[in-house]
Amino acid sequence: GENVEQHPSTLSVQEGDSAVIKCTYSDSASNYFPWYKQELGKRPQLIIDIRSNVGEKKDQRIAVTLNKTAKHFSLHITETQPEDSAVYFCAASMWSNYQLIWGAGTKLIIKP
Amino acid sequence: NAGVMQNPRHLVRRRGQEARLRCSPMKGHSHVYWYRQLPEEGLKFMVYLQKENIIDESGMPKERFSAEFPKEGPSILRIQQVVRGDSAAYFCASSQAVDTGELFFGEGSRLTVL
Repeated sequence: GENVEQHPSTLSVQEGDSAVIKCTYSDSASNYFPWYKQELGKRPQLIIDIRSNVGEKKDQRIAVTLNKTAKHFSLHITETQPEDSAVYFCAASMWSNYQLIWGAGTKLIIKP
Repeated sequence: NAGVMQNPRHLVRRRGQEARLRCSPMKGHSHVYWYRQLPEEGLKFMVYLQKENIIDESGMPKERFSAEFPKEGPSILRIQQVVRGDSAAYFCASSQAVDTGELFFGEGSRLTVL
């Protein structure tokens, strides 16, 4: 079955710098890759997603890139701000929401 | 639109008691998913339900755990004879369709077993 690995588990960056979180997946049939952000004690919320028919997607300071050949996708956050501090989860699925396989999460710490 | 509503937000139970967690999906959503999250860990899928049907319960322990989503009313995750290892945050999510797309999560129910 599908397996999703996420690295690093903790990432500390200076405010204003960029942050990159990487995920690899095992099932080449996976075609949907969302990223969720979970602030401390809060609900996970979708911040960006990408489907396998595109290689990159951007939304303001956030971007996701997908390399289908290598089976990995990455979240890029530029000009980091204190409110970016949270745990970020990647996931992968073939066709359905309930088949989403989740990464273990990355705790992003923005240092002032 | 009130979003996904979960209650209670916090629940304390003694070992051996029952815990009932409720989830009202977003208006218009008929697909409900339950996840468990241990401290400092990721989301573990438990069960996927549509109205009156359990579609996939492959992530739910076969003993002591059950889920339902009746025709009327919220979805309920029931844990019987709780043990300390059941202490976790339980998140419910809903979606309009089962195809891949945004999952809308509730604020979670935090169960503590003494």
